[in-house]
Amino acid sequence: SQQGEEDPQALSIQEGENATMNCSYKTSINNLQWYRQNSGRGLVHLILIRSNEREKHSGRLRVTLDTSKKSSSLLITASRAADTASYFCATAWNYGGSQGNLIFGKGTKLSVKP
Amino acid sequence: EPEVTQTPSHQVTQMGQEVILRCVPISNHLYFYWYRQILGQKVEFLVSFYNNEISEKSEIFDDQFSVERPDGSNFTLKIRSTKLEDSAMYFCASSGGGGMYDEQFFGPGTRLTVL
Repeated sequence: SQQGEEDPQALSIQEGENATMNCSYKTSINNLQWYRQNSGRGLVHLILIRSNEREKHSGRLRVTLDTSKKSSSLLITASRAADTASYFCATAWNYGGSQGNLIFGKGTKLSVKP
Repeated sequence: EPEVTQTPSHQVTQMGQEVILRCVPISNHLYFYWYRQILGQKVEFLVSFYNNEISEKSEIFDDQFSVERPDGSNFTLKIRSTKLEDSAMYFCASSGGGGMYDEQFFGPGTRLTVL
């Protein structure tokens, strides 16, 4: 199944601009989490938004969730070269047997040029 | 700040050999997970572990895989007889300060190369 698919696949912007990445999913979820991954490295947790929440902020990050459209967006404001990384959304399904395991999308590769 | 740690960072092994990947989850967490990421592909769920037993596993997690929490801190993934297609980055994650639907924190990963 295709759960947590991001778009665009790649995004290239100038430092100082905002970056918006989108994520779509297909089933009922308990929460959606965004992660950052620098090339070949580990996954850094950015933010979790629950199904009963519509928007969350953390520093320069803003996440929205629209459960009616089964979509989420991650906005990074005033981007920096250090934001260059791949960004993934991951959904925790909401069903009886679920133990909270996450289903990841393919990610958006963000490149911020100085 | 507490973090998940994994050892080794890189493991090279011959096809058919057994490997054990080790993880130390965050100390007050109760739910533990293994994921893998084949180069250039999505991160895939392998198994979840709670209360000293497997709570959920994916199709990938066949009889060649096993997990164990041998003591109060370590969480291990064993692959009994490695195949070429097991080459991937393996991530351990933990959650549970607020339940299984809490944030999952990932370790830095072990890159497994099967020759």
